Amino acid sequence: AQKVTQAQTEISVVEKEDVTLDCVYETRDTTYYLFWYKQPPSGELVFLIRRNSFDEQNEISGRYSWNFQKSTSSFNFTITASQVVDSAVYFCALITHNTDKLIFGTGTRLQVFP
Amino acid sequence: GAGVSQTPSNKVTEKGKYVELRCDPISGHTALYWYRQSLGQGPEFLIYFQGTGAADDSGLPNDRFFAVRPEGSVSTLKIQRTERGDSAVYLCASSLLLAGSSGELFFGEGSRLTVL
Repeated sequence: AQKVTQAQTEISVVEKEDVTLDCVYETRDTTYYLFWYKQPPSGELVFLIRRNSFDEQNEISGRYSWNFQKSTSSFNFTITASQVVDSAVYFCALITHNTDKLIFGTGTRLQVFP
Repeated sequence: GAGVSQTPSNKVTEKGKYVELRCDPISGHTALYWYRQSLGQGPEFLIYFQGTGAADDSGLPNDRFFAVRPEGSVSTLKIQRTERGDSAVYLCASSLLLAGSSGELFFGEGSRLTVL
C-alpha cells in the first residue's frame, strides 16, 4: 500500500526564517514519483516539483529546495528566507508507475508572520 | 481562461437532493481526475478518465456517486441523495499525460459542496 505522512500539522515562523516541511512516504514499488503542491487560500493546488525515484539529486529553485533520501523514504521541502506570501497549506504526494492515482499527505499549514 | 475551470464554485443543498459539479479541463488534456478534499485533509482520489472512459473509479465512495465525460472534454460529477458527509471541496485536475507517466496535474479551484 502507498502512504504519505506529513507529521507537521501546522508551522508558524517569522518572515526571513528558514523552514523545512517534512514528508515521509511508503511504497513497495521501485518506480514512483514524488510531488509537492502548494494550496493558497484560493484553494487551487499549485504544482511545485516532481521527482522520480531514480533521481536522488537534490534540487534548488530560488528560495525552495528539496531533499530526497530513499534510505529514509523522505522528501523534505525547505523554504529559505520565508515570506508572508509563502503562507499556505503544502501537500506532499506520491504516485507509483503502475497506477495513476496521486496519493496525498494530510498537508502542513505554514503561516509566515511579518 | 487557460486553466481548469470548475462550476459552481459553491453549492449549498439539502440532504437528499441531487447535485452536479462540472469540470472544464485544459484544452487538449486527455486525462481528467476528480478528487475530494474534506476540511483539514489532503485530497482523496475519486475517479479518473482517459479520454471518454473512466479508467479507474475505485475511489468513488458508493453508488450515489457517478461521473461522466461523454465527449472526452468536460466532465460532470453527479451525486444522488446527498448526505451531510458529502460536504467537501471537490477538486478536478487535468493532465496531458497520465500522472503515472510523470504527467503534471493542473488543478481547478474546486467546488465547495455543503449539504445541510
